[in-house]
Amino acid sequence: GENVEQHPSTLSVQEGDSAVIKCTYSDSASNYFPWYKQELGKRPQLIIDIRSNVGEKKDQRIAVTLNKTAKHFSLHITETQPEDSAVYFCAASNVDTGRRALTFGSGTRLQVQP
Amino acid sequence: NAGVTQTPKFQVLKTGQSMTLQCAQDMNHEYMSWYRQDPGMGLRLIHYSVGAGITDQGEVPNGYNVSRSTTEDFPLRLLSAAPSQTSVYFCASSQGGRGGEKLFFGSGTQLSVL
Repeated sequence: GENVEQHPSTLSVQEGDSAVIKCTYSDSASNYFPWYKQELGKRPQLIIDIRSNVGEKKDQRIAVTLNKTAKHFSLHITETQPEDSAVYFCAASNVDTGRRALTFGSGTRLQVQP
Repeated sequence: NAGVTQTPKFQVLKTGQSMTLQCAQDMNHEYMSWYRQDPGMGLRLIHYSVGAGITDQGEVPNGYNVSRSTTEDFPLRLLSAAPSQTSVYFCASSQGGRGGEKLFFGSGTQLSVL
């Protein structure tokens, strides 16, 4: 099955700096890669996703890049703000199998220092 | 439109007891799933369903049963609770199709098994 590794486990940045979280996946057939944000005590929520036919996707201050050859994808947050502080999870799945089972990484706790 | 509703929010069980975690969605989603969240391990898939009458195992199914008699409901049953099942449980749903859709999570159930 799919295995997703996520680094770093914790990340502390100053407000206004950029943050990068990296994930690698094992199954070359995976073709859907979402990122979820979970604020303390809250439920995970989708913030951005990318499919394997696209190398990069942006949404305001967040972007995701995908390198299919190396089997890794990254989340980039620019101009970080205190409200970006949360745990971020990457995930991967193969939407063509019909199983629709997402495999999540172990999470990155991002702390933005004001 | 309530989204995904989970009950209870908190539960304490003794080893060997059984219980059912309830999950209901009012978005007419075909896909429903149960995840458990443990520190440092991300979200791990327990069971999922792609439609009424259809269920399948995820990554960590042992000790849990599910059924899907209606589109709206997807209860998770712990047959004989063990301390290793102490965790936060999330139910999630998404629209039908081939996959790669946004997952909508419930608010979670914090379960402690003594």
